[in-house]
Amino acid sequence: DQQVKQNSPSLSVQEGRISILNCDYTNSMFDYFLWYKKYPAEGPTFLISISSIKDKNEDGRFTVFLNKSAKHLSLHIVPSQPGDSAVYFCAATYGGATNKLIFGTGTLLAVQP
Amino acid sequence: DADVTQTPRNRITKTGKRIMLECSQTKGHDRMYWYRQDPGLGLRLIYYSFDVKDINKGEISDGYSVSRQAQAKFSLSLESAIPNQTALYFCATSDSRDRAVVTQYFGPGTRLLVL
Repeated sequence: DQQVKQNSPSLSVQEGRISILNCDYTNSMFDYFLWYKKYPAEGPTFLISISSIKDKNEDGRFTVFLNKSAKHLSLHIVPSQPGDSAVYFCAATYGGATNKLIFGTGTLLAVQP
Repeated sequence: DADVTQTPRNRITKTGKRIMLECSQTKGHDRMYWYRQDPGLGLRLIYYSFDVKDINKGEISDGYSVSRQAQAKFSLSLESAIPNQTALYFCATSDSRDRAVVTQYFGPGTRLLVL
């Protein structure tokens, strides 16, 4: 049973526009959420995170929104750049002592020049 | 130099062979993890270790074993490789002292092909 779902395998946007990547989860015990970016032939790199006590976290061009009632989070990239083209994974965890991350299946973002 | 290194980066082996994937880190983190990535399935946790004497199974540990030789080294073994273990394998680390953040830091991955 997939506890963290990314229903869009791919997304294509124009350079300068907004990219919105979505993630849904089923386990209401999750209390921390992360986004990772992965380029080909590299490991995932941490991008941005959000605690369940917040509904928004911003870091430069990247903003993560959390809607707990809908069990939904989204990553907004504004403006999108060609270098943002990568696979984006959302991940969730609960009980900080365990540090166990549950990953979604990833969304391939292509930013067209 | 990379903080988390994995060797080898690519490996081809035959069914039934024993192989070992190695992970080293210079981040000084106490926690280490092994994941595999398969197309359409994201990353799944195989084993994790909170310190040298603490080893725990993840969601897909069957067919795998691990060894934490030192705080900085965590190896993954396939005792008898089978074709469905063909995947991309990632090692990751985290710092238990950083209680507010559960961020894990990943190595570059090992691409394994079992024929």
